Amino acid sequence: SQQGEEDPQALSIQEGENATMNCSYKTSINNLQWYRQNSGRGLVHLILIRSNEREKHSGRLRVTLDTSKKSSSLLITASRAADTASYFCAYTNDYKLSFGAGTTVTVRA
Amino acid sequence: DTGVSQDPRHKITKRGQNVTFRCDPISEHNRLYWYRQTLGQGPEFLTYFQNEAQLEKSRLLSDRFSAERPKGSFSTLEIQRTEQGDSAMYLCASSFSVSGGIGELFFGEGSRLTVL
Repeated sequence: SQQGEEDPQALSIQEGENATMNCSYKTSINNLQWYRQNSGRGLVHLILIRSNEREKHSGRLRVTLDTSKKSSSLLITASRAADTASYFCAYTNDYKLSFGAGTTVTVRA
Repeated sequence: DTGVSQDPRHKITKRGQNVTFRCDPISEHNRLYWYRQTLGQGPEFLTYFQNEAQLEKSRLLSDRFSAERPKGSFSTLEIQRTEQGDSAMYLCASSFSVSGGIGELFFGEGSRLTVL
């Protein structure tokens, strides 16, 4: 069973718009990570934020972490058709990652 | 290509048959993970190895499932007496960790199992 919740389940946006998705979890964490998965493929790591960090940027990605609310958000700015994929948050407080159910993002040209 | 490789990519089998999946991790990685993913869901943890030692197995891993990582290199995941509910994508991932915690996982492309 999934340990995390992601919101929304699906998101459809126009190319050039921003996409925001949220993740909530239930336990204390060491770090939280975001992964992307294209249909039928493996997962690709996007960004990792540690529990003592509040915000992190990587290219067009911005991740925030609020440990008091046990939540994180991923913002993709200036979306492109190639950003169409499923996005998963994953968190850990030990030796393994627990994944959310994911947000499916469709970017329309 | 020095990424994580999985074989086969697709497997169709009849209920009751045994299947085996192989994962070759990135060579310098000491940790290897198996996850299972069904359609529309995120990956679910099955088991993990630190070098050749299997340190944790999920309750999802019934007695029909067995995983090995001989010599701390490649790993195999065997499913005996397959059931239709075993149909899923089986994902392997590896990482390098020197102490506790976990950083980025490198995933293979997965092995998709269909049980008829």
